[in-house]
Amino acid sequence: EVQLLESGGGLVQPGGSLRLSCAASGFTFSNYAVHWVRQPPGKGLQWVSTISASGTYTYYADSVKGRFTISRDSSKNTLSLQMNSLRAEDTALYYCARTYISTPSNYFGPWGQGTLVTVSS
Amino acid sequence: EVVMTQSPATLSVSPGERATLSCRASQSVSSSLAWYQQKPGQAPRLLIFGVSTRATGIPARFSGSGSGTEFTLTISSLQSEDFAVYYCQQYNNWPLTFGQGTKVEIK
Repeated sequence: EVQLLESGGGLVQPGGSLRLSCAASGFTFSNYAVHWVRQPPGKGLQWVSTISASGTYTYYADSVKGRFTISRDSSKNTLSLQMNSLRAEDTALYYCARTYISTPSNYFGPWGQGTLVTVSS
Repeated sequence: EVVMTQSPATLSVSPGERATLSCRASQSVSSSLAWYQQKPGQAPRLLIFGVSTRATGIPARFSGSGSGTEFTLTISSLQSEDFAVYYCQQYNNWPLTFGQGTKVEIK
């Protein structure tokens, strides 16, 4: 069974940093691109970042470019999101999601249950 | 950025009735269009990709259609478990973008 388990969320002050992790299991992690998608409280879905299966290519939403860094460790089946210079508008539930199929296709198959990030003083 | 616009924002439907949800892209996304369902307190679930291909385990009452900039998700006969929020997403261009969602509620 495919599982994605996020961790690392919490309360952080504006300007602070946080590192999210996503532990993957039940599939060959190195074969799939993986993504971060967030959802502010009571609002819709926002794509944040994508890393290719090999880790060679990374993509970011303009709203987080230069502040967030996505990375993966295929030896540990782990996806990470380093978030710096956090702002109130980054407050959201952050989901880890896997590309549905192993060929390049950027829609989201299995999702984790999310980890909540709250940016507030 | 490709802006995805969904309508209506809320759709009130009786169980057993047909629901038709619309999604419009600000520019052509070819056939790179997916639909998701999200229930309260749950992560989204992929329903359809490539405009009309159902994901594994998705019932046949869910169907997608359209091309270019106009897309439709149809639920042929609403079941109680189908009342949820539905999102469309384009994956033809970076950044990947979602519509704002359509809430399907019980009439």
